Amino acid sequence: DIQMTQSPSSLSASVGDRVTITCRASQKIGRYLNWYQQRPGKAPNLLICGASTLQSGVPSRFSGSGSGTDFTLTITGLQPEDFATYFCQHTFSTPRTFGQGTNLEI
Amino acid sequence: QVQLQESGPGLVKPSGTLSLTCAVSGGSISSINWWSWVRQAPGKGLEWIGEIHYSGHTNPNPSLKSRITLSVDKSKNQFSLTMTSVTAADTAVYYCARGAFSYFYGMDVWGQGTTVTVSS
Repeated sequence: DIQMTQSPSSLSASVGDRVTITCRASQKIGRYLNWYQQRPGKAPNLLICGASTLQSGVPSRFSGSGSGTDFTLTITGLQPEDFATYFCQHTFSTPRTFGQGTNLEI
Repeated sequence: QVQLQESGPGLVKPSGTLSLTCAVSGGSISSINWWSWVRQAPGKGLEWIGEIHYSGHTNPNPSLKSRITLSVDKSKNQFSLTMTSVTAADTAVYYCARGAFSYFYGMDVWGQGTTVTVSS
């Protein structure tokens, strides 16, 4: 199985900041890496697929990069609604493992 | 647009069987996508349970494979999860989701989630 290591597990930031979350796969996964945002009590929401493709309706302050084993999610100009938990997930093979999550808090 | 809705008992006894169904509306389950189950224990991260294609092909998580059955009912446009021999560790919010072929199988549509508690 491919393991996903996400860091940091928690992150404190302020409105307007730029933050970066990283995700590392235990083996090469090409660009089969997706990022989700989850707000408390809600289902996850797909932000980015294929490492860097923004889903429709997702603000352009979100961006993703990487390929192979190392990936990043960057949020430039944090807004109040961005404070949530973020998960990466590989879909290169099964099981389609998630990272442990990053809790982004004010 | 496609919507998903989970249904099933909210309380299951230890050693019992958990059965959940996900109804697909606004689109056909007979597509090239995968139909998935994900769970989240209280205060924990996301765990991928498995996925099924409308053809009936399944990919269960090896860690749960001995206890789960994934099935699809094309006539009712729904898919289901059955988990046997449940314990308190299976207490979680269970989500169904669509793994979209067009999005590197990223899960672009989710149900609202259903809470399952394993307790006597």
